[in-house]
Amino acid sequence: EPEVTQTPSHQVTQMGQEVILRCVPISNHLYFYWYRQILGQKVEFLVSFYNNEISEKSEIFDDQFSVERPDGSNFTLKIRSTKLEDSAMYFCASALTGDTGELFFGEGSRLTVL
Amino acid sequence: AQKITQTQPGMFVQEKEAVTLDCTYDTSDPSYGLFWYKQPSSGEMIFLIYQGSYDQQNATEGRYSLNFQKARKSANLVISASQLGDSAMYFCAMREGVGGSYIPTFGRGTSLIVHP
Repeated sequence: EPEVTQTPSHQVTQMGQEVILRCVPISNHLYFYWYRQILGQKVEFLVSFYNNEISEKSEIFDDQFSVERPDGSNFTLKIRSTKLEDSAMYFCASALTGDTGELFFGEGSRLTVL
Repeated sequence: AQKITQTQPGMFVQEKEAVTLDCTYDTSDPSYGLFWYKQPSSGEMIFLIYQGSYDQQNATEGRYSLNFQKARKSANLVISASQLGDSAMYFCAMREGVGGSYIPTFGRGTSLIVHP
């Protein structure tokens, strides 16, 4: 069964360092998303991506975040200068359609900023 | 205003019994999709079931069914014959097209504990 895969599963980094989280969406999906979940809290939308550009982003997705799809399969989230409050689980998701259809998540990347 | 409301922060159920997890939603869009996800303690987000707003019948997937009451704007998840492995957080989510956006939004989740 096709699935969304994410790497790394867990990353520990020092405050101020750059982090790249990687995702391989389901191969025929066209819409991609990043979410984050601070421990024990709500699942929060960060950014959506379609046709090689950001379609929407939340207030959380400030200038320290960026996304790209460098090679047609990977979908990456970069955090340029990590802060303590960036510690969270980051989920990648993909969907075939951009409307009301099903959305599938990866297993998440847990980021710990020290 | 909350788009997705899950009023039960925690639920307990005995193994083999059925349990209903509540979800109400708020939208003015006639076209929307509703989802349930399971998040075990390991952290991954597992898709369980989907209901489209125009679907005539309630969605079912194995032991999971979605009790869709459109007029009440509720989309409760029913788990039949609970198993110990069902212990997890459960999130209700919605995609709606208000303002042209179909960004999925999530409720705060319900923690389900299944005890023997």
